[in-house]
Amino acid sequence: RKEVEQDPGPFNVPEGATVAFNCTYSNSASQSFFWYRQDCRKEPKLLMSVYSSGNEDGRFTAQLNRASQYISLLIRDSKLSDSATYLCVVNKLNTGNQFYFGTGTSLTVIP
Amino acid sequence: SAVISQKPSRDICQRGTSLTIQCQVDSQVTMMFWYRQQPGQSLTLIATANQGSEATYESGFVIDKFPISRPNLTFSTLTVSNMSPEDSSIYLCSAYGGDGRMAEQYFGPGTRLTVT
Repeated sequence: RKEVEQDPGPFNVPEGATVAFNCTYSNSASQSFFWYRQDCRKEPKLLMSVYSSGNEDGRFTAQLNRASQYISLLIRDSKLSDSATYLCVVNKLNTGNQFYFGTGTSLTVIP
Repeated sequence: SAVISQKPSRDICQRGTSLTIQCQVDSQVTMMFWYRQQPGQSLTLIATANQGSEATYESGFVIDKFPISRPNLTFSTLTVSNMSPEDSSIYLCSAYGGDGRMAEQYFGPGTRLTVT
C-alpha cells in the first residue's frame, strides 16, 4: 500500500466553483501534513501546512482527520490561476524526517 | 522559508557521460534531499544528503550511479553517472529546517536533464 494516495483527477471545474481534494495516508504515526502546488514544468511550492485544528488561507481551507487518516483541501471561488497539480505530502518524523508525496491531483479551471 | 538555487537549470548530455548538479541554500538547513521527477509522475526520493557523511539512498538508487556530496549545511551536489536515456528527468533539490524556523520542505527550481 502506498504511503500517500490521491485521486489523480483530472478535475475540470468552471471559474467560481468550489472544489475539494482528499488524500489518505497509511501510517498513523505521521506527524506533519502539507499541500504543495506544482505548475507545469516548475518545482513544487508549498501551498499550506495542515494543522490538527484545520486552517484557512484566503480561498483555501485544509483539514486533517487523524481518525480516518485523511487530509483535504478545499478551494473556493476557483480562479483560472488555480490550475495546477496539487500534491499531498506527509512527514513521518520518526523515520528521519522523510517526506512522502502523493502522485498529485490535476486541476484545470475553465473560463 | 529558504531560497534554493540549482545549476545547471537544464542540460543535454550524451550517454555514458556524467553530470554534476549543484544545489545552494541561502541559509543553514538540517536536511537536504534529492528527488527525481519524470514527466507526468510525482516525485521520487533518490537520497538524503547528509552533512559530513555518506548519503542515505532509497531503494533502487545506489551511490555508484548517483554519488552525492554535502560538504556543509548549505550546499550539496548530485552526480548522475554513466548516463543513459532512462536518466532523462527533472532532478530537484530540497531543503528542510526541521524546526519552527523552517518546518516545511522547500524546493529548488530543478535541473532538466536530457540524455541522448
